[in-house]
Amino acid sequence: DIQMTQSPSSLSAFVGDRVTITCRASQGIGNSLAWYQQKPGKAPNLLLYDASRLESGVPSSFSGSGSGTDYALTISSLRPEDSATYYCQQYYSVPLTFGAGTKVEIK
Amino acid sequence: QVQLQESGPGLVKPSETLSLTCSVSGASISSNYWSWIRQPPGKGLEWIGCISDTGKPNYSPSLKSRVAISVDTSMNHFFLTLRSVTAADTAVYYCARYPAGLRWLDRWGQGALVTVSS
Repeated sequence: DIQMTQSPSSLSAFVGDRVTITCRASQGIGNSLAWYQQKPGKAPNLLLYDASRLESGVPSSFSGSGSGTDYALTISSLRPEDSATYYCQQYYSVPLTFGAGTKVEIK
Repeated sequence: QVQLQESGPGLVKPSETLSLTCSVSGASISSNYWSWIRQPPGKGLEWIGCISDTGKPNYSPSLKSRVAISVDTSMNHFFLTLRSVTAADTAVYYCARYPAGLRWLDRWGQGALVTVSS
C-alpha cells in the first residue's frame, strides 16, 4: 500500500494568511493526487485533483502543486470559512489511500 | 444533480453483518465507478472498496476477507456488506462516486453512522 504522510497535523492561522499543507507519498504517484476539505459532521468535499486541477466551484484561493512523492495544498488568503480538516488521497494504485488529515483553525 | 444517500441499520451487534445501501439519483450506476469509505469517530478516512461501471468489485486488502460490494442496476443502488463486525468497525460510512475511472471522488453521500455494540 502507498502511505500518505500529511503535515502538519494541525495549524492555526489568521484570516488573510497564506497556508500550506504538505502530503508525502511513500513512493512516486505521478500527480495522481486529490485534496478534500471536510467540515464537522459533513462529508468530504473535493477541492483539487490531478495534484493541481481545481474542481468546478472551488475558490481560486486554493491551489495545488508538487510532483513525484511530494505535494502541497496552498490557501493563498485564509478565510473564516476555510476552517476545516483537509485530506490528501492518492489514486496511483489500489488500495486508494488517504493522508491522516490536517486541521486548520482560525486564530 | 448527482445525489447519493446511504441507508441501513445504525446499530449492529458484534459478530453480525453490517449492510448498507447507497441510493443514487442524477446519474446511472452503469456509467461510473462507485465506492464505500468509512471514518471512525474522530479519525481519518479509510477506503473500503469500489465497484466498477461493469460491476467488478475491488476491495481494500485489510477488509477483503469480510467485505462485499454489489450493485442493483435496476434500482440504481449499490450495497456494502461487512461480515463479523467488531467495535473497530464503528464508523460513519460514506458512499461516493468516481467521475472518471478509479481516481478522485466528486460526489459523496451525507454519511451513515453505524455503531457496533451489544
